[in-house]
Amino acid sequence: QSVLTQPPSVSGAPGQGVTISCTGGTSNIGAGYDVHWYQHLPGTAPKLLISANSNRPSGVPDRFSGSKSGTSASLAITGLQAEDEADYYCQSYDSSLSGWVFGGGTKLTVL
Amino acid sequence: QDQLVQSGAEVKKPGASVKVSCKASGYTFISYGISWVRQAPGQGLEWMGWISAYHGHTNYAQKFQGRVTMTTDTSTSTAYMELRSLRSDDTAVYYCTRGAVDTAMTDAFFDPWGQGTLVTVSS
Repeated sequence: QSVLTQPPSVSGAPGQGVTISCTGGTSNIGAGYDVHWYQHLPGTAPKLLISANSNRPSGVPDRFSGSKSGTSASLAITGLQAEDEADYYCQSYDSSLSGWVFGGGTKLTVL
Repeated sequence: QDQLVQSGAEVKKPGASVKVSCKASGYTFISYGISWVRQAPGQGLEWMGWISAYHGHTNYAQKFQGRVTMTTDTSTSTAYMELRSLRSDDTAVYYCTRGAVDTAMTDAFFDPWGQGTLVTVSS
């Protein structure tokens, strides 16, 4: 059971948009720790997608955006493309566990 | 470019130990730490622990304390993760990833990642 909760799956048609939520608590996201997002394609290494809640590393399309409010964070993907089909994970720090934590992951299906 | 290259796949019997290596290149090794993350079949990413390449301090997830040891060799810019008393549910892909140099840097993210090492535990 992850301390950061994500929906197991989301889906959308090409060109549409989706949002993936990441819900935590007062010892992680609610405590003010940054949230980072990763894209994980099967058989490859996870890739940093969004850092520090809303920052896109160089090379990440602006179709991807992140936000954070209270005890939750969200990843928004607009203009869905077939290549976006992957697993997405949020990550933060938890003061109760004294370590870094991941969400359970969300599988994005592009219909 | 900054890169982490891990050792190859391993097959181990229950009760054995495995040691995975992670060689860094393209950046100053001692300026960062290394975290180890695993993904069991059909499961999500699980943070196992962290080691500072600067001072060697470690922080292990409670689940793995007593069974895992993380070390570094600064002369070769290589990090190691040893997991002992292997069980079938330790079968997973193990990743190393670059992170904070100190645990006070709680907002650090993980980037880049190694290619992953499949560890299979089977009798």
